[in-house]
Amino acid sequence: DAGVIQSPRHEVTEMGQEVTLRCKPISGHNSLFWYRQTMMRGLELLIYFNNNVPIDDSGMPEDRFSAKMPNASFSTLKIQPSEPRDSAVYFCASSLGGQGYEQYFGPGTRLTVT
Amino acid sequence: GNSVTQMEGPVTLSEEAFLTINCTYTATGYPSLFWYVQYPGEGLQLLLKATKADDKGSNKGFEATYRKETTSFHLEKGSVQVSDSAVYFCALVTGGGNKLTFGTGTQLKVEL
Repeated sequence: DAGVIQSPRHEVTEMGQEVTLRCKPISGHNSLFWYRQTMMRGLELLIYFNNNVPIDDSGMPEDRFSAKMPNASFSTLKIQPSEPRDSAVYFCASSLGGQGYEQYFGPGTRLTVT
Repeated sequence: GNSVTQMEGPVTLSEEAFLTINCTYTATGYPSLFWYVQYPGEGLQLLLKATKADDKGSNKGFEATYRKETTSFHLEKGSVQVSDSAVYFCALVTGGGNKLTFGTGTQLKVEL
């Protein structure tokens, strides 16, 4: 199994530009999570999906952030327009549904907004 | 609501020393408990878990026991190695769902 796949691994962009992060979950997993990790705020859950439907987006910072999951094998997190404070490592994770099932994390995308 | 409290880091130990990283929690309902580990430059990966009171999770020499009476899930290892240097996260989930509540993470540094 290839695990959770994220692309790109690194992204450097200028303030105001649109950024799209991509995630391919593990085949057969029905839950997908987007996290953001920074030194200041630690690990934050942004949004999660069950069966491609957004269940909880209370962690999405503001309207500049949006996430989609058009099918069971693909999700995107978009930031438009990007700002320097969005610089962070963004992780995608997937799991089987239900309590007790572990989340499998991707390697992350390191985003730098200048 | 749910919350997880971990001891502040960094924790610096010599190789072969005994490790304890404290974790306590508050939860509505009956949680499942997890320890995740993050090695430098990588995503988190599950280290061990326990799903009911008095269960002991174990993996790679690490252990943690689900203590309902003290609402704790402390991580222990009898003899750490340099390769154990990483950030360790305690986490829980309740309500039959799979949304994890994480602690802030504890950085462990093991020196020769």
